[in-house]
Amino acid sequence: HLQLQESGPGLVKPAETLSLTCTVSGGSISTSSYYWGWIRQSPEKGLEWIGTVYYSGKTHYNPSLKSRITMAVDTSKNEYSLKLSSVTAADTGVYFCAGWSTVSDGFSLWGPGTTVKVSS
Amino acid sequence: DIQMTQSPSSLSPSVGDTVTITCRSSQSISNYLNWYQQKPGKAPELLIYFASKLQNGVPSRFSGSGSGTDFTLTITSLQPEDFGTYYCQHTYGTRTFGQGTRVEIK
Repeated sequence: HLQLQESGPGLVKPAETLSLTCTVSGGSISTSSYYWGWIRQSPEKGLEWIGTVYYSGKTHYNPSLKSRITMAVDTSKNEYSLKLSSVTAADTGVYFCAGWSTVSDGFSLWGPGTTVKVSS
Repeated sequence: DIQMTQSPSSLSPSVGDTVTITCRSSQSISNYLNWYQQKPGKAPELLIYFASKLQNGVPSRFSGSGSGTDFTLTITSLQPEDFGTYYCQHTYGTRTFGQGTRVEIK
């Protein structure tokens, strides 16, 4: 039974890079059953899809964030990561990692979420 | 960029009621439409995919319909545990969510 857990700093300074990691437990990240994604949520923007990455490294990013995003998979650690550069207060919110099922074509696995605040 | 518009933004039904939430896309997305339920402080949960297919473990009182640009989530015989916020999401290229519909049980 796959489970996801986000980790990373809860406070990031403006103009710096936000870095988060999602650890996959209970199974292998190198499965064809899921793409691995990030979603964030804020009162201002609601739920916003950030991007997804396959275990092979293939990525699919939200066009509105594409210039600032890097996602990667580390199969040796069974985890994947998100880097969001040049952050502003508008990047404050709850960040979820989630598994996109290739069967149900939806985010069917979710981590509990981690709160990130951008502030000096 | 495809936009998703949900209505209503909130509603307060009673236990046992039938609830209908609608989601409209700014262009045709065939049946590439998901529905999620989110409770306060928790991650969303997938309810419906491909507009009408029930995710494993989701009660049969939840159903989805529609194709093209107009979609509906229906909850029949509403239960107390069905409170929360419901989101639609298109999967036609990107993965944009609607703004949500808050369901508060009266």
